[in-house]
Amino acid sequence: GIQVEQSPPDLILQEGANSTLRCNFSDSVNNLQWFHQNPWGQLINLFYIPSGTKQNGRLSATTVATERYSLLYISSSQTTDSGVYFCAVDTVRSNDYKLSFGAGTTVTVRA
Amino acid sequence: DGGITQSPKYLFRKEGQNVTLSCEQNLNHDAMYWYRQDPGQGLRLIYYSQIVNDFQKGDIAEGYSVSREKKESFPLTVTSAQKNPTAFYLCASRTDRNTEAFFGQGTRLTVV
Repeated sequence: GIQVEQSPPDLILQEGANSTLRCNFSDSVNNLQWFHQNPWGQLINLFYIPSGTKQNGRLSATTVATERYSLLYISSSQTTDSGVYFCAVDTVRSNDYKLSFGAGTTVTVRA
Repeated sequence: DGGITQSPKYLFRKEGQNVTLSCEQNLNHDAMYWYRQDPGQGLRLIYYSQIVNDFQKGDIAEGYSVSREKKESFPLTVTSAQKNPTAFYLCASRTDRNTEAFFGQGTRLTVV
């Protein structure tokens, strides 16, 4: 099956700093999502971004499907940005409904 | 209020007992999923269902069972055969493959 790798595994930031999270995938995809898991465990949808660039406030994401990667940018980080960020993909190669997740990037923003 | 509801939020069971976790959605989604998350780990797929009366094993289906008798509901039973059932369980749904998935708030299961 498709492999999804996220980097870095851990990121510690000072409040106000900018950062970039990366998601690489081993096969062509039709769908890519970014999620933020908050301290209570809930997964919050950040972006549905099979290709192109999107922005939502201080967050933005870019997916370059032809090169098999996606980037999530966090600008002017705040302590509420802390948590785990996951990317998830659908492969184009089958009609399978599996949604495959990366291992996540744990972000800690210090005041 | 539209969304995905998992219940209960916390569940405690004695070892050897089967337990069923509830997942209900009113989003009219065809596909539903169950994931397991252990502390500090990512999400692992247990079972998924593309349509009513159909479901497939995910990557870690052993010790679990599901049913999909109604479009809105996809309950997960953790059986006594599951060696390490204590974990955080997340349910998700979406319209179709290649569409945006949404998650419930999760159920924390503790087996003592």
